Amino acid sequence: QSALTQPASVSGSPGQSITISCTGTSSDVGGFNYVYWYQQHPGKAPKLMIYEVSNRPSGVPDRFSGSKSGNTASLTISGLQAEDEADYYCSSYTSSSTWVFGGGTKLTVL
Amino acid sequence: QVQLVQSGAEERKPGASVRVSCKASGYTFRDYYIHWVRQAPGQGLEWMGWINPNSGGTKYAQKFQGRVTMTRDTSLSTAYMELSRLRSDDTAVYYCATMGAATVDYWGQGTLVTVSS
Repeated sequence: QSALTQPASVSGSPGQSITISCTGTSSDVGGFNYVYWYQQHPGKAPKLMIYEVSNRPSGVPDRFSGSKSGNTASLTISGLQAEDEADYYCSSYTSSSTWVFGGGTKLTVL
Repeated sequence: QVQLVQSGAEERKPGASVRVSCKASGYTFRDYYIHWVRQAPGQGLEWMGWINPNSGGTKYAQKFQGRVTMTRDTSLSTAYMELSRLRSDDTAVYYCATMGAATVDYWGQGTLVTVSS
């Protein structure tokens, strides 16, 4: 199972919006609505930001949103804030009953 | 509150094995799969496998087939991950997590496993 494809880095200024893509195949992202997004700050465990493509857990700001089209899922962060600077990972359930992560995207808030 | 508490850091020599534990509290242990995820220094997250605490059934990533064994002790609400034939590139932080179950998404604090001669 190959890792999902994410851009290595994205950046934006405070207040702007950014989108991180996560591309898989019809055997993972495209085949199931089980795409999750995680935020990870240095030295910390990952934190769930989006579950099942587009749902936000309680406590996650509504600036974070998720979507999917075909084999590509996306995480959009609007109104960027300094504390959003972190690594972001997508993950997906697969047709083999396994899970796979993306390679991760480093978000820099300029 | 839900907690997953992992065992402490380990150091091993190449070729050895390591077992990491993950003690769950604050919920019914049998209700949610436990996944194991690792992260090498400066690298991304890598899914290793899951165990169904209710049945003991497991599913491993192909990369780790034959080297990883996941078990559980329901009487202790504890899951275990054993990795054998360790190599230097197995040096990583190993996490247990109840990921993939909608909002029931909790992670342990991570266990650093260092493999060095």
